[in-house]
This record gives sequence, structure tokens and C-alpha cells, in this order.
Amino acid sequence: EPEVTQTPSHQVTQMGQEVILRCVPISNHLYFYWYRQILGQKVEFLVSFYNNEISEKSEIFDDQFSVERPDGSNFTLKIRSTKLEDSAMYFCASGGGNTEAFFGQGTRLTVV
Amino acid sequence: SQQGEEDPQALSIQEGENATMNCSYKTSINNLQWYRQNSGRGLVHLILIRSNEREKHSGRLRVTLDTSKKSSSLLITASRAADTASYFCATDAGYQKVTFGTGTKLQVIP
Repeated sequence: EPEVTQTPSHQVTQMGQEVILRCVPISNHLYFYWYRQILGQKVEFLVSFYNNEISEKSEIFDDQFSVERPDGSNFTLKIRSTKLEDSAMYFCASGGGNTEAFFGQGTRLTVV
Repeated sequence: SQQGEEDPQALSIQEGENATMNCSYKTSINNLQWYRQNSGRGLVHLILIRSNEREKHSGRLRVTLDTSKKSSSLLITASRAADTASYFCATDAGYQKVTFGTGTKLQVIP
């Protein structure tokens, strides 16, 4: 069964550093998403991406964040100048138009 | 208000009992999904029900959807200690983003 793959599963970074979270969506999917879940809280939408551009973003997704689909298979989330409050689980998802979104298992980001 | 709100927020039952969790949402949907999440872990997809479906079963899980009331329920029958987790409903309107509810924290006591 096809699945969304995220790497790494856990990343620890120093405050102020840049991190790149990686995702390999399901191959024939066209819509890509990033979500965030701060420990103990609900899963929050960050951004959706379609046709090589952002289609929607939340107020959380400010200039500190960027997304890219560099090579037609990977979908990345870059967080610049990380802050302690960026510590969270980050989920990638992909969808195929009028089908449901499939989620990866998440990357746990810890900013120290 | 939020698109998806589950109730109860927390539920504690004895092993073997049934657990029922409810989800309400506000806008029209294409699909409603239920996910399980063990503490600090990833999202495990449980079941998807489409807007034109009313009930769906998967093993010990039964999901109902009432689009007129904009609500869904997840029933776990014959619960086990391993069912202890948080359960989230999530809605989408097709290719648009998925919106998660606030979750129900289920504890099954052995």
C-alpha cells in the first residue's frame, strides 16, 4: 500500500538554526500539506501546495517557514531561525484531488 | 468556533466495555476520517467515511455520519487496554485541507 514517508523521525536542533523536514508524498498525488502538532494540542494546518505553489496557508505559516518541491518527488518544509516554540510534531500529507489526504508518521522537532 | 469538536474530551472505561466518541463540524464536507494517536506518536488512520455514506465498519470500529446534523460518532466495541490513545476526527471538502478536531483522550483500564 502506498504511503507518505517522512524523514527524519526525530530531529534535535539548536535555537536559531535552520531545519529542513523532508517528505516523500504518494507518487501520483497532486496536493501536498504540512501540519503541526505542539505536544498535547490539536493538529494544526500550516500550508497546502499544488501545482508548484502555495494554495493556502495559515497564520502560523509566516516568513520563517517555506516549502518546496525540489525534484518532483520530495516535499520539504524549511524552518529558518528556529525558536523553542517551534518544537512540535510536523506531519506531511498528500492527496490526489478528490481523494482523502494520507498522512506520514511525522517528524518530531525538538529545539533546544 | 472550530470545524471539528469531539466530545467527550476525555473518556475512561473498563476493558471490555464499548467506547463512543462524537465529532461535530460546521461546514459541508466530502470526507470525514478518524485517527488514533498514541501519546507523542504519529497519526494512525482508522477509517474514512464519505459524505454519501451513513455507516461504516472496520473490525471493532463502527463509524456513523449524519450530514444533516453535521456529526459523526466512532464506536469501539469490546475495548482493550491497547486502545488507550487520543482519537481525532478530521474533515475535508475534497482537495482542500484536512481540519482536525480537538480530540478525545480515551483510557481503557485493564
